Amino acid sequence: KAGVTQTPRYLIKTRGQQVTLSCSPISGHRSVSWYQQTPGQGLQFLFEYFSETQRNKGNFPGRFSGRQFSNSRSEMNVSTLELGDSALYLCASRRHGRSYEQYFGPGTRLTVT
Amino acid sequence: GQQLNQSPQSMFIQEGEDVSMNCTSSSIFNTWLWYKQDPGEGPVLLIALYKAGELTSNGRLTAQFGITRKDSFLNISASIPSDVGIYFCAGPILGGNYKLTFGKGTLLTVNP
Repeated sequence: KAGVTQTPRYLIKTRGQQVTLSCSPISGHRSVSWYQQTPGQGLQFLFEYFSETQRNKGNFPGRFSGRQFSNSRSEMNVSTLELGDSALYLCASRRHGRSYEQYFGPGTRLTVT
Repeated sequence: GQQLNQSPQSMFIQEGEDVSMNCTSSSIFNTWLWYKQDPGEGPVLLIALYKAGELTSNGRLTAQFGITRKDSFLNISASIPSDVGIYFCAGPILGGNYKLTFGKGTLLTVNP
């Protein structure tokens, strides 16, 4: 079974630009969560989507948004990029149900200059 | 909030040694997850624990769900160079549906 895939793996943007990251979950997994990982703050939850609906949201500004498509694929968007947005963005999928087990993709390394 | 404190922050050991690390919280958790992350990659789920007192193994890895439900332990036996990486504990935030909170991680270095 293929794992979680994320594209692109690496991205360099300049301040003020916007960026869209993509995530394809494990086949059969309908829940997708996004996390931001930085050396200082560690892994922080951004949001979770299930059935094309945002179910949970972390403490991030409105510049961070996401969506999920009917095939469970998800995208996250960051507008008006700031230097502090440089991070590894991780997507994780979970099988629907009571399982808390989340499976992560390799991440997208975003560098904002 | 429900913070997870991992210790030690880093470990430097010789190949073949056993390793022990732990994760504690002031809040109760009903699930503990242990992940390993290699540089430049996403975390990989190693072990999931669902019951207080539960002891679960995955090869050379053994994890335990503390009986107070406020801690968990991960042991690695007979370490090998590929065990190098950052080990994270994680658990679902109470009332947060399936939102996970993560510890800051334990960086393990294995000297061949």
